[in-house]
Amino acid sequence: DAGVTQSPTHLIKTRGQQVTLRCSPKSGHDTVSWYQQALGQGPQFIFQYYEEEERQRGNFPDRFSGHQFPNYSSELNVNALLLGDSALYLCASSWTSGRALGNEQFFGPGTRLTVL
Amino acid sequence: AQRVTQPEKLLSVFKGAPVELKCNYSYSGSPELFWYVQYSRQRLQLLLRHISRESIKGFTADLNKGETSFHLKKPFAQEEDSAMYYCALSIQGAQKLVFGQGTRLTINP
Repeated sequence: DAGVTQSPTHLIKTRGQQVTLRCSPKSGHDTVSWYQQALGQGPQFIFQYYEEEERQRGNFPDRFSGHQFPNYSSELNVNALLLGDSALYLCASSWTSGRALGNEQFFGPGTRLTVL
Repeated sequence: AQRVTQPEKLLSVFKGAPVELKCNYSYSGSPELFWYVQYSRQRLQLLLRHISRESIKGFTADLNKGETSFHLKKPFAQEEDSAMYYCALSIQGAQKLVFGQGTRLTINP
């Protein structure tokens, strides 16, 4: 099991463009969360997907959207990119069993997005 | 609002010395607290969680609800402990993690 995988590793975009980041969860996991980590900061929760629906959302604008596919993989889309969107985007997967608590989240290596 | 504070951005200790990384949280309910670690060129990984009350790599952390703290401790630091450490809080049932800013720990030989 390769664990959580993310693609691409890094990319460079210009202001106003749109970007799609991809994540494949760890085998057996059904829940995907996305985090944004700006330089020198801890990760900030963007949103979480379970059963192909957004289950929770952090304090991020609607320019940030996502999707989860039947195979549990997920995409993060960011529209109208701003310079401040430059960050490391982390994907984490976990397993939801009903309302089980505190399941460990496994993180991917991240996608480094640079907006010029 | 939930918040996690790690007051030290950088911490440097000598090998063999005790180490304590501070973490304070703000949450009115019953939190779950975690410590995540990121070694150089590796991904973020779970170090320990307060629910399991176990010691990992010699590290322990006790949840103090009165002081709303979850400090990470190790009695004798080793060079391989050098890494970035993040304290995180999860709201019961939410699986969403709220992270602190992190503390970069350097163990000097």
